[in-house]
Amino acid sequence: RKEVEQDPGPFNVPEGATVAFNCTYSNSASQSFFWYRQDCRKEPKLLMSVYSSGNEDGRFTAQLNRASQYISLLIRDSKLSDSATYLCVVGSGNTGKLIFGQGTTLQVKP
Amino acid sequence: DADVTQTPRNRITKTGKRIMLECSQTKGHDRMYWYRQDPGLGLRLIYYSFDVKDINKGEISDGYSVSRQAQAKFSLSLESAIPNQTALYFCATRGQGDHYGYTFGSGTRLTVV
Repeated sequence: RKEVEQDPGPFNVPEGATVAFNCTYSNSASQSFFWYRQDCRKEPKLLMSVYSSGNEDGRFTAQLNRASQYISLLIRDSKLSDSATYLCVVGSGNTGKLIFGQGTTLQVKP
Repeated sequence: DADVTQTPRNRITKTGKRIMLECSQTKGHDRMYWYRQDPGLGLRLIYYSFDVKDINKGEISDGYSVSRQAQAKFSLSLESAIPNQTALYFCATRGQGDHYGYTFGSGTRLTVV
């Protein structure tokens, strides 16, 4: 079983749609959680950290469920510019390493 | 200037050649990492370093070596390149504390022919 699993998609949605991505992780000792965005052939960039109480940044909402070991990302009012791959990232306990999911591809169409 | 700088950006090399990928960071962080990314396999950790004297193997270190020349510099070497090392390579740095994510360099696209 992979340490961090995501549905690879692709998710094809029209502009203005709401889309949700889920991610599960296997290490119950994980302490830190992030969503990264990666555009084609570019480096991953931090989209947002995920906190236990859930957090929101504009159109993006991240939630963490420690009991079920899953993380979610909700994107409201999708824009064409949201088209990218979204990576779920989990901190591996106290090792300082981050474990990446394979990514979920989002394509927003006009 | 970018926080994390990787050189070269692109490189084509022949099988059996030695090649070094360089990374430098201006964030003053102790923790540095090398990843490779392949289609369908995601990002996989090659080596990581928590300070100049602390170097650790990641999940796919075979065929690679690293050198931490200074807090700001962490280079990756392929001693004898082979075609299945063709990939996109990323260097990253991370601040102390679990709440910090990685800051990545722009990547090196390496092709071994």
